[in-house]
Amino acid sequence: AQSVAQPEDQVNVAEGNPLTVKCTYSVSGNPYLFWYVQYPNRGLQFLLKYITGDNLVKGSYGFEAEFNKSQTSFHLKKPSALVSDSALYFCAVMEWPLDMRFGAGTRLTVKP
Amino acid sequence: NAGVTQTPKFRVLKTGQSMTLLCAQDMNHEYMYWYRQDPGMGLRLIHYSVGEGTTAKGEVPDGYNVSRLKKQNFLLGLESAAPSQTSVYFCASRGETQYFGPGTRLLVL
Repeated sequence: AQSVAQPEDQVNVAEGNPLTVKCTYSVSGNPYLFWYVQYPNRGLQFLLKYITGDNLVKGSYGFEAEFNKSQTSFHLKKPSALVSDSALYFCAVMEWPLDMRFGAGTRLTVKP
Repeated sequence: NAGVTQTPKFRVLKTGQSMTLLCAQDMNHEYMYWYRQDPGMGLRLIHYSVGEGTTAKGEVPDGYNVSRLKKQNFLLGLESAAPSQTSVYFCASRGETQYFGPGTRLLVL
């Protein structure tokens, strides 16, 4: 079965600094990878996805993710963090054509 | 276009009580899903549906039942609630990606 792992429960960065939220995957075949964000008391919101093509994927709110096949990683990045980026971030892999398998989540805190 | 909506937003049950969570989507999606979210465990799939009249078990189906009588609605039922079912429940429907509802917080005492 497909799976993803988020090795960090918590990531803290200072506002204005670059941020990285890590994700590694385990799939058979080509992966369909996603990042979602969850703000307090809200559902998950789609940020970006990788299906095929360019290894650097750009998404919403200035986020991007880099697909690395040799390292089986799909890390989420942003060049300059904002306090408003503080949220819970989930990496996911789609087990086509059915459902998503989610990581445990990483809580990002951006401090002023 | 409301997207995915869920009712109720919050509910407290006593052990053994039953309840139904309602999910509705107005995007004409075929696929719908019910997840539960627990701290440190991400989202786990309870049941899903690939179309009206069809349902299937996900990763953690025990203690739950579902029905998809209409394409736009996906109901999650708890016949006899247990404290282990205290969680936040999310419904989703799938188009180009999954679209999530705002969640239902359930507390079982």
